[in-house]
Amino acid sequence: NAGVTQTPKFRILKIGQSMTLQCTQDMNHNYMYWYRQDPGMGLKLIYYSVGAGITDKGEVPNGYNVSRSTTEDFPLRLELAAPSQTSVYFCASTGQYSNQPQHFGDGTRLSIL
Amino acid sequence: RKEVEQDPGPFNVPEGATVAFNCTYSNSASQSFFWYRQDCRKEPKLLMSVYSSGNEDGRFTAQLNRASQYISLLIRDSKLSDSATYLCVVNELRAGKSTFGDGTTLTVKP
Repeated sequence: NAGVTQTPKFRILKIGQSMTLQCTQDMNHNYMYWYRQDPGMGLKLIYYSVGAGITDKGEVPNGYNVSRSTTEDFPLRLELAAPSQTSVYFCASTGQYSNQPQHFGDGTRLSIL
Repeated sequence: RKEVEQDPGPFNVPEGATVAFNCTYSNSASQSFFWYRQDCRKEPKLLMSVYSSGNEDGRFTAQLNRASQYISLLIRDSKLSDSATYLCVVNELRAGKSTFGDGTTLTVKP
């Protein structure tokens, strides 16, 4: 019953460092998403994928990159960390039908100092 | 104008109160609707789907009004444990396209 798994749960980065947030799901879902949520704010879509090999930008893609080489994995990469990227990052997935809800991972709490 | 709008609150109610949240959406092609619950700094979790005929799950009742393009969530007999942020989510016919509201914060007090 793993569902959507995100690693790491917490991370502190220095300005200019890079890192990859990992996300994997075991539900054979086609669709996967990355969101960020700043304190007191709603979810903002960074990138999403409708299947292996296909990705697209969301509302706030600048400063991030993604790849989707398999159905299960959807990593998010920060190339040059900036303080504005301090946030909680959630990965989610859903099946192929529009009446299916999204399932979320526990989140990664990232601080850039 | 946002695609999905919610009253941010906060709603502060005493235990046992009945509270209702509304959510409006702008895309008439929207097909599926959900309410999620998010506890502080944790991931959103599905509370309930919203069906055209309305549906109930214990103390929670969800309604959909397609003509006016809004959905609602009614919580009866509020418990302290109901304190959370409630997110309205709207799915389009195109699979995988979901739009989240910014959430309504509820605090239930003793």
